[in-house]
Amino acid sequence: DGGITQSPKYLFRKEGQNVTLSCEQNLNHDAMYWYRQDPGQGLRLIYYSQIVNDFQKGDIAEGYSVSREKKESFPLTVTSAQKNPTAFYLCASSIKGLNQPQHFGDGTRLSIL
Amino acid sequence: DAKTTQPPSMDCAEGRAANLPCNHSTISGNEYVYWYRQIHSQGPQYIIHGLKNNETNEMASLIITEDRKSSTLILPHATLRDTAVYYCIVRPMDNYGQNFVFGPGTRLSVLP
Repeated sequence: DGGITQSPKYLFRKEGQNVTLSCEQNLNHDAMYWYRQDPGQGLRLIYYSQIVNDFQKGDIAEGYSVSREKKESFPLTVTSAQKNPTAFYLCASSIKGLNQPQHFGDGTRLSIL
Repeated sequence: DAKTTQPPSMDCAEGRAANLPCNHSTISGNEYVYWYRQIHSQGPQYIIHGLKNNETNEMASLIITEDRKSSTLILPHATLRDTAVYYCIVRPMDNYGQNFVFGPGTRLSVLP
């Protein structure tokens, strides 16, 4: 089945550690996105990429980094500079074009030990 | 800036139609209305989107008023599995790959 796979589903980070969240899609979508969701809140955009080897900061990029070396993969690294990383992280992808909906993975829940 | 306004919660009896309203009084001529839903601890699921004509697919119908300042998502025969938070989003049609702004949405509870 085509879709977006995020792993792991749950992740724990120690203070001062960097962690990387995986996002893979087999939908042949050009654009990919990372969002953060806090309890009871909407989604906030961290980074997005419209094409391989290019990405743009979203509204809350500080403390995060991404790469887009392959079309199907868009990993997110939560660095030690992110002081409040506990959240639900969602990856999405879309066809690059007018009026295209984004399709989401099932998320990774990150917690601090 | 909140571009849409939705009631925080609604109840619906199983088997009945669920009508979820959304106000978007400042919508621009080039902005589409999108609807997503999110079941607890899962990613948002795309439902439907439209510009000015009513739209229908296998999941729902979208009714947009003639002045485009409000819309209604209709789930024709709600089931318990439709219990979720429903998000109404407006987004420009020429917005290549940029973010969907998800507000707090409407929490729909389908009751047996």
